[in-house]
Amino acid sequence: KQEVTQIPAALSVPEGENLVLNCSFTDSAIYNLQWFRQDPGKGLTSLLLIQSSQREQTSGRLNASLDKSSGRSTLYIAASQPGDSATYLCAVYSGGGADGLTFGKGTHLIIQP
Amino acid sequence: NAGVTQTPKFRVLKTGQSMTLLCAQDMNHEYMYWYRQDPGMGLRLIHYSVGEGTTAKGEVPDGYNVSRLKKQNFLLGLESAAPSQTSVYFCASSTFKVAGGPFADTQYFGPGTRLTVL
Repeated sequence: KQEVTQIPAALSVPEGENLVLNCSFTDSAIYNLQWFRQDPGKGLTSLLLIQSSQREQTSGRLNASLDKSSGRSTLYIAASQPGDSATYLCAVYSGGGADGLTFGKGTHLIIQP
Repeated sequence: NAGVTQTPKFRVLKTGQSMTLLCAQDMNHEYMYWYRQDPGMGLRLIHYSVGEGTTAKGEVPDGYNVSRLKKQNFLLGLESAAPSQTSVYFCASSTFKVAGGPFADTQYFGPGTRLTVL
């Protein structure tokens, strides 16, 4: 059974810092990996999706990398801003059909002004 | 485009009562999903559907039933609510792609339904 772990569980940094969130998964046979953002009391917003054949994806100040063989992904946030404060969730899709995603428990990020 | 919408946003039930949560999407997606999110447990898949008239069990299906009579709607039912079903419920939808093997694409989530069972 696929398991997804996110480290750290919580992180608080001053505004302007570059930071890295980590995600690891136990079964490397995945089709894709997604990073989501969840604001308090809200749904999930997809940030980046990396296919298994890709090494990284970039969107603005966000960069996600994937090392499938070692079962790891990182989300890099450059020049953090208070508006980046949220919970970041990593999820892997490893089903051949529509079995949904296996989620990590998330990293709760606070950017101090 | 409204994306994925969920009705209701909040609900309080007594043990043993029944209710139906409605999810609607206007993106013409083939796949739809129901998840529950609990503190310390993350999101877990309850049921999913790969198309109109089809449903399948996810990781935690017990105590729930689903129906997908129309492509744009996915209903989640609780026949006899229990306190253990207190949770936040999220619906999601995605397209279907075939590129070196079939897989689901980016999932789009609704805003959630906060359910409390007393």
